[in-house]
Formats: sequence, C-alpha cells, structure tokens
Amino acid sequence: AQSVTQPDIHITVSEGASLELRCNYSYGATPYLFWYVQSPGQGLQLLLKYFSGDTLVQGIKGFEAEFKRSQSSFNLRKPSVHWSDAAEYFCAVGEWDYKLSFGAGTTVTVRA
Amino acid sequence: GAGVSQSPSNKVTEKGKDVELRCDPISGHTALYWYRQSLGQGLEFLIYFQGNSAPDKSGLPSDRFSAERTGGSVSTLTIQRTQQEDSAVYLCASSSDRAPLHFGNGTRLTVT
Repeated sequence: AQSVTQPDIHITVSEGASLELRCNYSYGATPYLFWYVQSPGQGLQLLLKYFSGDTLVQGIKGFEAEFKRSQSSFNLRKPSVHWSDAAEYFCAVGEWDYKLSFGAGTTVTVRA
Repeated sequence: GAGVSQSPSNKVTEKGKDVELRCDPISGHTALYWYRQSLGQGLEFLIYFQGNSAPDKSGLPSDRFSAERTGGSVSTLTIQRTQQEDSAVYLCASSSDRAPLHFGNGTRLTVT
C-alpha cells in the first residue's frame, strides 16, 4: 500500500529565508510524486511533479524538489520565501494522478 | 470559467438529512475525482470516474455515499443520512489523459 508522511505539521519561516518541507513515502514500485499547495479557501494547485529522469525537479513559484530513492524522500525547497508562500503544502504519491495518496499537509507561516 | 467549479461552496445541514454536492469539471477532461479533506487528515480518495468506464468506488467510506457522473461531464456526490463525522471539505478534481489534476475550491460541509 502506498502512503505519505509529512513529519512537520507546521513550519514558521522568516520572509527571505530558505524553506524545506519534508516528505517521505512508501510505495511498492517507482512512484509518481507530487507537491500541491493550498491557499485558504482555495483548491489545490500543482507545484511540481516527478515521474522519472532528473531527480531534481523545478516547479512553479520558484520551488524545487529532489527525489531520493535511497531515502524514500521527496523534499520541497525554496531558496527565499515570500509572504505569499504562506499556505498549506501537500505531498502526494500515486500512479499518474490516479488515486493519489496525500500526506496530512504542512502549514507554512511566513513572518515579516 | 476555465477551472473546476464546485457548488455550493458551503453547506450546513442537520444530522440525518441528505446532501448533494456538485462538480463541473474542466471541459474536455475525461477523468473526474472526488476527495475528502478532513481537518488535519490530508486528502482521502473517494471515487474516480474515467470516461465511460465503471467508476472506482473503492474509497467511499460507507453505503451512505454515492456519486454519479452524467454525460461524462457534471458529477454529483450524494451523502444520505448525514452524520457529524461527514463534516469535511469535499474536493473535486479533473484531468485529461496523463495530465495533472486540476482541483476545484471545494464544498465545505458542516453537519450539525
């Protein structure tokens, strides 16, 4: 069975500082991995995805993520956080967008 | 509009009543998904429609939940005899073949 763990429920970061959100997955085969962001009252927006190839993937809004098979991780990073990055972030694993399993999410607060 | 549309955005109902939640997917998207988002629980897969194939209902939590998709487009999620534990945000998403999910803004259901 596939599952996703996001160890950090809440992270507070200063504007301009770097951000890293952790994601660990359990999956029997080569996973498809995703990061989504959800602003308050909004649906989920895809930040980036990994299917195969280069293990460092670039996404929208200056985010990137690195797939590490040996650690079963797919951590999300951003070098310099903006106040508009305050949101909830979800990591997901699945088979090509079908029946995705989502983590419980990490809430990011950005302080001035 | 160009996005996934869900209605109503908020629904308050009394325990024991039936509710219907509606999803208008992006035009041309063959796949449609329903997820449930409970506080601190991440997203839970409910049901998946793909074209004219039989839907995957494996995520529906009980027989009080049902969903249909008419004409390969609009979908309705019905919850009969609502219970307080049904309170959650219900998210709909659609996609075209081998493309990322596009989420609606969700319906927040509160059962009193």
